[in-house]
Amino acid sequence: DTEVTQTPKHLVMGMTNKKSLKCEQHMGHRAMYWYKQKAKKPPELMFVYSYEKLSINESVPSRFSPECPNSSLLNLHLHALQPEDSALYLCASSLLWAAKSPLHFGNGTRLTVT
Amino acid sequence: DAKTTQPNSMESNEEEPVHLPCNHSTISGTDYIHWYRQLPSQGPEYVIHGLTSNVNNRMASLAIAEDRKSSTLILHRATLRDAAVYYCILRTSYGKLTFGQGTILTVHP
Repeated sequence: DTEVTQTPKHLVMGMTNKKSLKCEQHMGHRAMYWYKQKAKKPPELMFVYSYEKLSINESVPSRFSPECPNSSLLNLHLHALQPEDSALYLCASSLLWAAKSPLHFGNGTRLTVT
Repeated sequence: DAKTTQPNSMESNEEEPVHLPCNHSTISGTDYIHWYRQLPSQGPEYVIHGLTSNVNNRMASLAIAEDRKSSTLILHRATLRDAAVYYCILRTSYGKLTFGQGTILTVHP
């Protein structure tokens, strides 16, 4: 069991659908992250939030829209995705956005775009 | 962020020690060395991190070279559950945590 909870575990969506991925942590962490991982590849950073403010956007297409409504919750809103967006989406948190703060990962949402 | 170099794969036998190397010759003075591992069908799991001194925790030990250009993750007695992809990453404050290709560790019974 991880302390970062991601829902849903699996999601299948069509290219015209709108869906959201949810991530929650109750460890009092103030930095939260979204990563994307394709099969047999390392995770790739998408977004970093620090104190609920978007701090890094790794040139992610606008069809991915992150939201951090409070310090415990991180959402990723999905709209008009492409089949190549199918991947494992990982959420992580750390106490601070600082070098000595380890990341705690959830087990991800496996997304399939049809 | 500075890059790291790890072997693509390593093998070990159960109950033997495992030494996983990582080179990071362009490390800066404020970079922390982090290690994570990822088991199949799970998110990455934090293993250990350090700055200059060797570090021990319940999972592993981290040995850092004096010049900090390399480090070694030590699993003292490998078990089958330690089979995973191990990532060595340099982390800076206000920076990205960028994963490299990692080392696939296979543990034989």
